[in-house]
Amino acid sequence: DIEMTQSPDYLAVPLGERATINCKPSQSVLYSSNNKDSLAWYQKKPGQPPQLLIYWASTRESGVPDRFSGSGSGTDFTLTINNLQAEDVAVYYCQQYYSTPRTFGQGTKVEIK
Amino acid sequence: EVQLVESGGDLVQPGGSLRLSCSASGFLFSSYGMHWVRQAPGRGLEYVSAITYDGHSTYYADSVKGRFTISRDNSKNTLFLQMTSLRPDDTAVYYCAKDLGDWFFDLWGRGTLVTVSS
Repeated sequence: DIEMTQSPDYLAVPLGERATINCKPSQSVLYSSNNKDSLAWYQKKPGQPPQLLIYWASTRESGVPDRFSGSGSGTDFTLTINNLQAEDVAVYYCQQYYSTPRTFGQGTKVEIK
Repeated sequence: EVQLVESGGDLVQPGGSLRLSCSASGFLFSSYGMHWVRQAPGRGLEYVSAITYDGHSTYYADSVKGRFTISRDNSKNTLFLQMTSLRPDDTAVYYCAKDLGDWFFDLWGRGTLVTVSS
């Protein structure tokens, strides 16, 4: 199984500032058929289902604000939230879909400082 | 409307059984792999089980292997999770999710709560 490690576990950022979350798979998740990394990011708010933000490591899902961006390759990936808003308070999870089980990171809780 | 709706969650005693359902609408259910993911209170997302679009292949996390069975009825656009020998650590909100092209999960249900307690 591919293990996904996120850092930090908790992040407090002032309104309008930048939040950066890291995700490290235990092995490459590069999908050779399209040369893209099989890495997704989800936002989870209490009482709501997870919402897809980013897939293929850097492709923003339709309707997701452009302050959310994904980057990285190999075994180092980052979710960046620019201009943090109050509605961005949530837990963020990375997930690899290179192989089953489609493992998740342990989550990063983002709050307003 | 494109949606997934889970049902069947309940309070059950340890050792008991439950059958969860996930009703799909608004998309061609029979074309997509489906998954169950759970979140225990105060914990992160845990990948539980998966089934291919045609039901021919399944996956189970070690924590549920031998106790849970995933299945689907493509004629009724419904995904199931039969849970037996339930334990307190199975207490969680159970979400069904649809994958896109056997890749990421682009649609999730709102979840159903399973509580295992005496």
